[in-house]
Amino acid sequence: AQSVAQPEDQVNVAEGNPLTVKCTYSVSGNPYLFWYVQYPNRGLQFLLKYITGDNLVKGSYGFEAEFNKSQTSFHLKKPSALVSDSALYFCAVRDGGANNLFFGTGTRLTVIP
Amino acid sequence: DTEVTQTPKHLVMGMTNKKSLKCEQHMGHRAMYWYKQKAKKPPELMFVYSYEKLSINESVPSRFSPECPNSSLLNLHLHALQPEDSALYLCASSQGGGRFHEQYFGPGTRLTVT
Repeated sequence: AQSVAQPEDQVNVAEGNPLTVKCTYSVSGNPYLFWYVQYPNRGLQFLLKYITGDNLVKGSYGFEAEFNKSQTSFHLKKPSALVSDSALYFCAVRDGGANNLFFGTGTRLTVIP
Repeated sequence: DTEVTQTPKHLVMGMTNKKSLKCEQHMGHRAMYWYKQKAKKPPELMFVYSYEKLSINESVPSRFSPECPNSSLLNLHLHALQPEDSALYLCASSQGGGRFHEQYFGPGTRLTVT
């Protein structure tokens, strides 16, 4: 079985400060991990993914994520937050044997001007 | 072109109506998905089509009927829905059915059942 946990429902950060959105996962095999962002009344936009290779993955809009196998984590980071980064962020893990994409419960990020 | 389009954007229907949601992609993707998303919740997978064949049906009630006429189109036929079916319905596609392919989502159809 696979699952994803996003322990924080809400994260607030000041504009210009670094941001981190946390994600931990549980899978039986190799993890395939994804981050998506959702703006109000919109679909989800793909940010980045980890499949294999370097533990630090770079994605769209200056976001990056660090895969940590020992801590089973895949935290999303950005060095300097923008007000326009305010949105709902979902971490997701792909089931190894099928097409299912399992989403975490989401973290609402608010960047304060 | 990394766009998935969905029509209509909004739909209000009565419990006795029949309506359809439409999704289209021209990225050459061979897997397409329907998700249901309630407010402030993550998307829930409903159906997966892989190479135009239904590969996953997540125990969705029969009042939802998917159809994949060709590799670019995905429909969701709705009949005799309940008010609790009101939600944002998202379509997505991916390059293949592989576990490492990211999914691209459409903007969704906001469905209200009265």
